[in-house]
Amino acid sequence: ILNVEQSPQSLHVQEGDSTNFTCSFPSSNFYALHWYRWETAKSPEALFVMTLNGDEKKKGRISATLNTKEGYSYLYIKGSQPEDSATYLCASMNSGYSTLTFGKGTMLLVSP
Amino acid sequence: DTGVSQDPRHKITKRGQNVTFRCDPISEHNRLYWYRQTLGQGPEFLTYFQNEAQLEKSRLLSDRFSAERPKGSFSTLEIQRTEQGDSAMYLCASSLGLGRDYGYTFGSGTRLTVV
Repeated sequence: ILNVEQSPQSLHVQEGDSTNFTCSFPSSNFYALHWYRWETAKSPEALFVMTLNGDEKKKGRISATLNTKEGYSYLYIKGSQPEDSATYLCASMNSGYSTLTFGKGTMLLVSP
Repeated sequence: DTGVSQDPRHKITKRGQNVTFRCDPISEHNRLYWYRQTLGQGPEFLTYFQNEAQLEKSRLLSDRFSAERPKGSFSTLEIQRTEQGDSAMYLCASSLGLGRDYGYTFGSGTRLTVV
């Protein structure tokens, strides 16, 4: 069973603050790392799919980096807005597994 | 295509009853997944299909759970003789291949409460 860890478990920031979360995953036989945003009462939405060591991806104010050798990924949110409030999930796929294994998520609350 | 649809959104059932959930994936997606999420946990893998073939089932999936995907289109997940521990959010997702390009597309989930 793969072990995917996320920290912190929850985070409360003020509007305008920048923040970052960590995802650690098994580095052996790595295949892909996904980030999802899950807003309350909605579907989890794919943010990034990352496959290469050193990958950096960006979507608006949100960006992510990937280190496959040491098994971690960071998600950054610049200038947080209340609409960024959601649970952010990371998930790893490793060779030998055909599906994603998810972490427990980081719950972000952005206050106006 | 309006994305992945799940029905019902909510289900309350008495312990011991059978329940069935439905998932309609994105039509071009050949893979379909069922996950379960309980409070404080991330989504836990239950089973997945490639077209109509069920290729993998988690050890979490007891023999009270069965899933089908006839003709490789929609899928159903049935839970027989429900127990209180089955209360959870059941998520369905689909992908084209392994989802390496665009990830998984999730439905909004079915929240099951067993009383």
